[in-house]
Amino acid sequence: DTEVTQTPKHLVMGMTNKKSLKCEQHMGHRAMYWYKQKAKKPPELMFVYSYEKLSINESVPSRFSPECPNSSLLNLHLHALQPEDSALYLCASSHITGGETQYFGPGTRLLVL
Amino acid sequence: TQLLEQSPQFLSIQEGENLTVYCNSSSVFSSLQWYRQEPGEGPVLLVTVVTGGEVKKLKRLTFQFGDARKDSSLHITAAQTGDTGLYLCAGASSGTYKYIFGTGTRLKVLA
Repeated sequence: DTEVTQTPKHLVMGMTNKKSLKCEQHMGHRAMYWYKQKAKKPPELMFVYSYEKLSINESVPSRFSPECPNSSLLNLHLHALQPEDSALYLCASSHITGGETQYFGPGTRLLVL
Repeated sequence: TQLLEQSPQFLSIQEGENLTVYCNSSSVFSSLQWYRQEPGEGPVLLVTVVTGGEVKKLKRLTFQFGDARKDSSLHITAAQTGDTGLYLCAGASSGTYKYIFGTGTRLKVLA
């Protein structure tokens, strides 16, 4: 099974709302990632967790707050977002050694009004 | 800074034609992935190549990893309308969790 699941599929939120994106994998991967993708562009790395600890933060604004409650789950908490944050948010996972294949979830399409 | 340049950026061809997409870098990668992505969906893994000179075939798709592990190509034989999508290459280096994505090739296959 090489499946990464993400919920919700679509999300519309106002600039004062608080929402969370969820990601789950059961492949035993200990590295999990959040990416942001704008239309017609490649994914941009936001955060990397390895062994449930944040190992990379690509200078992401604090209105995005990641959380890794356990080895299978990854959350992205959203608060006070801006319209320019509207994008496809992708979760991915891989084995921990680095240089391994990343498997992506279907993404959450976020619209900030 | 590691970069992966893909070419061409856009490709519109007739069904039945062949095509090749290139992914080039000046950096060495321990592995390289190819993905296809539909609008609004996540990238779907097509293949991973890890050995210099490696060739992998997936039905009508042939993937090659350069001898020096700096470049890769994807060749599609007899393209079908279902091949339409965004093709992304992504290079990985051992010891890092940063995957370098190519700029993408947007393929449209016309019936």
